[in-house]
Amino acid sequence: SAVISQKPSRDICQRGTSLTIQCQVDSQVTMMFWYRQQPGQSLTLIATANQGSEATYESGFVIDKFPISRPNLTFSTLTVSNMSPEDSSIYLCSVEESPRQGEGYTFGSGTRLTVV
Amino acid sequence: GNSVTQMEGPVTLSEEAFLTINCTYTATGYPSLFWYVQYPGEGLQLLLKATKADDKGSNKGFEATYRKETTSFHLEKGSVQVSDSAVYFCARRESSASKIIFGSGTRLSIRP
Repeated sequence: SAVISQKPSRDICQRGTSLTIQCQVDSQVTMMFWYRQQPGQSLTLIATANQGSEATYESGFVIDKFPISRPNLTFSTLTVSNMSPEDSSIYLCSVEESPRQGEGYTFGSGTRLTVV
Repeated sequence: GNSVTQMEGPVTLSEEAFLTINCTYTATGYPSLFWYVQYPGEGLQLLLKATKADDKGSNKGFEATYRKETTSFHLEKGSVQVSDSAVYFCARRESSASKIIFGSGTRLSIRP
């Protein structure tokens, strides 16, 4: 299965600043997904990132707050902008294992963000 | 709308007990269904999956059967161990879209 390297693994940031999270995959993938897992909660999809096009954001998430880059088929970044304590979460990137449906998804180990 | 509903936790059992974590889904098509597990301090791992009706996914002694008639994908294990303590997430993927939608998660604690 794909191996995902995500960094940083954790960070403590001041409110009002921005943090960029990187996700590197060891194989080429069409779509990459960014999720948020707030403390004690489930995973919520932020956006889907396709190479060469704008990311598709889910309801409640906007590009100005969570800009995403996808410069090639193995890499993506998510920026959390103008952070507030409510942004404290684990952020995870994910890729689909196979172009065939239903093969499951692999997740990065996550970035644990604390905003103070 | 389309969603995944799973049993609220926390669930606490004694070692060797039988486990069931309920999961039901709503969907317009024929989704693929998954159970993911998150062990303490670790990332999310795929536990098992099923892609069509009556499929049974299994792994590490866990099983779940895709029941189209009841729109369910309940997770079961005949004899749990302390090492099974984790948060379990039921999830679905639509046939017409690539994204996965997760249930709220069920925290399982196993006492020795």
